[in-house]
Amino acid sequence: GEDVEQSLFLSVREGDSSVINCTYTDSSSTYLYWYKQEPGAGLQLLTYIFSNMDMKQDQRLTVLLNKKDKHLSLRIADTQTGDSAIYFCAEIHNQAGTALIFGKGTTLSVSS
Amino acid sequence: DAGVTQSPTHLIKTRGQHVTLRCSPISGHKSVSWYQQVLGQGPQFIFQYYEKEERGRGNFPDRFSARQFPNYSSELNVNALLLGDSALYLCASSSEGGGETQYFGPGTRLLVL
Repeated sequence: GEDVEQSLFLSVREGDSSVINCTYTDSSSTYLYWYKQEPGAGLQLLTYIFSNMDMKQDQRLTVLLNKKDKHLSLRIADTQTGDSAIYFCAEIHNQAGTALIFGKGTTLSVSS
Repeated sequence: DAGVTQSPTHLIKTRGQHVTLRCSPISGHKSVSWYQQVLGQGPQFIFQYYEKEERGRGNFPDRFSARQFPNYSSELNVNALLLGDSALYLCASSSEGGGETQYFGPGTRLLVL
């Protein structure tokens, strides 16, 4: 996961917006992903963005992509306690099959 | 529709033993990938299989092997277990072997004592 970097922790209050940031290194990545992991569970796909897009909105989720800076962000509007989890940013590397390369994850803590 | 299923959910082994983990992809998906997630880290790519052929391999020793069956299910085998192999092993399925979205199963938690 060294190719993808994320801040490790984010704490917000219920009802606020959360912004989770990620930087990646492979400019040839075609897709970039956000996954959510709750304690003791597998990874749930939240959303993804194609590399030729700048923004994608899906209900409470907004993904912004800055290709020049290789920066990806996930904004969660009206954050709820149920959003508390670890969020992983991932990019596709095509050199070894189609491997997802993950960051270390950002732990989002939502307080009521 | 059933998602990706993995078995067993939990497993305890001792050093030197071997282990076999199993994965069934989403119906209609032909590609399976395996990832290892050590506590506090993001998942790391181990293998990808498509149509029973290995398509990619991550930076893991030869103690790790896998195969895919005609029904597209897959097994991950780890020989000569080390304490450091303790992790959550995740299986992901995708429709083809290219850049399609990968959907993950619940994982198998392996503890090596």
